[in-house]
Amino acid sequence: EAGVAQSPRYKIIEKRQSVAFWCNPISGHATLYWYQQILGQGPKLLIQFQNNGVVDDSQLPKDRFSAERLKGVDSTLKIQPAKLEDSAVYLCASSLVTGANNEQFFGPGTRLTVL
Amino acid sequence: DQQVKQNSPSLSVQEGRISILNCDYTNSMFDYFLWYKKYPAEGPTFLISISSIKDKNEDGRFTVFLNKSAKHLSLHIVPSQPGDSAVYFCAASAYNTDKLIFGTGTRLQVFP
Repeated sequence: EAGVAQSPRYKIIEKRQSVAFWCNPISGHATLYWYQQILGQGPKLLIQFQNNGVVDDSQLPKDRFSAERLKGVDSTLKIQPAKLEDSAVYLCASSLVTGANNEQFFGPGTRLTVL
Repeated sequence: DQQVKQNSPSLSVQEGRISILNCDYTNSMFDYFLWYKKYPAEGPTFLISISSIKDKNEDGRFTVFLNKSAKHLSLHIVPSQPGDSAVYFCAASAYNTDKLIFGTGTRLQVFP
């Protein structure tokens, strides 16, 4: 079974530029998550999708971050414009369903460096 | 406000010995706890979990203990192996939700 795929693996941009990350969850997984992991911290949930609907985006900085999952499968996360403090690893995860105690499977992440 | 805390950023253990990783939480609504393991340049992978109705869960070399009154859990690895060298994250979720709150991680190094 293929795991969660993410691209690109690394991205370096200058502040005020835009960037987009792509995630392909495990086939058949209805729930998709985007996390931000700043160096020295644990992953922090940015947004959670159930199929193509948003379940939780309470910690997404909506003035600069956006995410979509148009057909309930792939998802993109965009930052526009980027700030220095956005430097982090962006992790995508998926789970079979939404609900308590469902295992989340993580992709390898995209490491973003904002200069 | 850090609801899940891992106060030891690193731990070094000799191969064959026991590794004990600790985690404290503040939110009494948490009822499900997980440990994830992360190698460099990879995403976290699920290791073991425990529900608040239990105080111990064992899976091979890995055992998680939960002390609800102290709001504390620990992961025991016995015996430790060099391949266990990784960053370990403690995570928690509240009743009827799958939103995970992660700790800051503990880097475990197992040396020969």
